[in-house]
Amino acid sequence: QKEVEQDPGPLSVPEGAIVSLNCTYSNSAFQYFMWYRQYSRKGPELLMYTYSSGNKEDGRFTAQVDKSSKYISLFIRDSQPSDSATYLCAAAHGISNFGNEKLTFGTGTRLTIIP
Amino acid sequence: DTEVTQTPKHLVMGMTNKKSLKCEQHMGHRAMYWYKQKAKKPPELMFVYSYEKLSINESVPSRFSPECPNSSLLNLHLHALQPEDSALYLCASSQSWSRGTYGYTFGSGTRLTVV
Repeated sequence: QKEVEQDPGPLSVPEGAIVSLNCTYSNSAFQYFMWYRQYSRKGPELLMYTYSSGNKEDGRFTAQVDKSSKYISLFIRDSQPSDSATYLCAAAHGISNFGNEKLTFGTGTRLTIIP
Repeated sequence: DTEVTQTPKHLVMGMTNKKSLKCEQHMGHRAMYWYKQKAKKPPELMFVYSYEKLSINESVPSRFSPECPNSSLLNLHLHALQPEDSALYLCASSQSWSRGTYGYTFGSGTRLTVV
């Protein structure tokens, strides 16, 4: 079993729709959770990060973590064609004091927003 | 400056060639990473440097040789690669997560083709 599982999609939704992207994880030691956006042939770009359980909102993006069910979600409101990309969830233990953390990534979900 | 710069952006090399990938950051991050990403797959960790010392080596073949000459630079030396080593090679950096900022900053990657 992979430590972080993510539905690879592809997922296509019309412009303006609310998008829900989800991951599950199996390692209870994970405390830090991140969402990255990756455009074709580019490096991943950090969108959101959260510590432990809870919600975090940044503009049209909301990240949720439920540690009791080991569930990670990213919601995109008022989706735009420019949101079309692959979205990767990631998790880490967060035990290093020196920043040399190993991120464990999900497989990524390919999202297309249809104009 | 909040960028991680990788050069070259594209590289084609023969199986007998020796080449190097370069990565540079000026954000004062003390952890730097090399990841390998195959098409439609998540990034896979290769090496982690913390304070210019190799701290994580994920059992990568010896034909890949990392080097961290100083806190801003990270190199990946390539020798006698195989066609299956063709991938997007991503460099990333991070600061201590105890400062409240989590996750990595990735470069745009070097797309490597081995012929």
